[in-house]
Amino acid sequence: QKEVEQNSGPLSVPEGAIASLNCTYSDRGSQSFFWYRQYSGKSPELIMFIYSNGDKEDGRFTAQLNKASQYVSLLIRDSQPSDSATYLCAVNRSQGAQKLVFGQGTRLTINP
Amino acid sequence: DTGVSQDPRHKITKRGQNVTFRCDPISEHNRLYWYRQTLGQGPEFLTYFQNEAQLEKSRLLSDRFSAERPKGSFSTLEIQRTEQGDSAMYLCASRFIGNTEAFFGQGTRLTVV
Repeated sequence: QKEVEQNSGPLSVPEGAIASLNCTYSDRGSQSFFWYRQYSGKSPELIMFIYSNGDKEDGRFTAQLNKASQYVSLLIRDSQPSDSATYLCAVNRSQGAQKLVFGQGTRLTINP
Repeated sequence: DTGVSQDPRHKITKRGQNVTFRCDPISEHNRLYWYRQTLGQGPEFLTYFQNEAQLEKSRLLSDRFSAERPKGSFSTLEIQRTEQGDSAMYLCASRFIGNTEAFFGQGTRLTVV
């Protein structure tokens, strides 16, 4: 079992709809959780991070964390074609090191 | 440009040759990380530094790999006797110890032929 698992997709969503991306992790001791966006041929860029159970909203993005179920999700509201990218879920297992374990990423396509 | 800078952006080398990559982090970022990313996969942690001290190395980092950060500023990653399986994107990231966000460089794409 991989430490961080994501559906590789592709996930296809019509423009203006909500895109829902999911991630599960195996280490119950994981401390913090990150969502990165990566355009083809580019480096990852941080969208948002979450530490506590519940929802965290930032603009069109909402991260959801359920530590009991070891589940993290990212919702993108009002999806735009520019949101088309690979979304990487990453988990930090240690408080200080911030050494991230990444999932394989979900490729998202927003159709105009 | 005040972002994380990596050099070269692309490197093609023959199997068995040595290669060295450089990463210049954001100024005053004391943590520096190296990751490797292969096609269709997420980045995998290789090693990280706090200032000049290398604090952790992944088991992925065989004896052919060595990383340094001699003055706590830029870092180099050397791969000796390259193998085709070393072909990947090598990513560097840096952050200030009190902050959460790590910033990634554009990466060095290595192709071993």
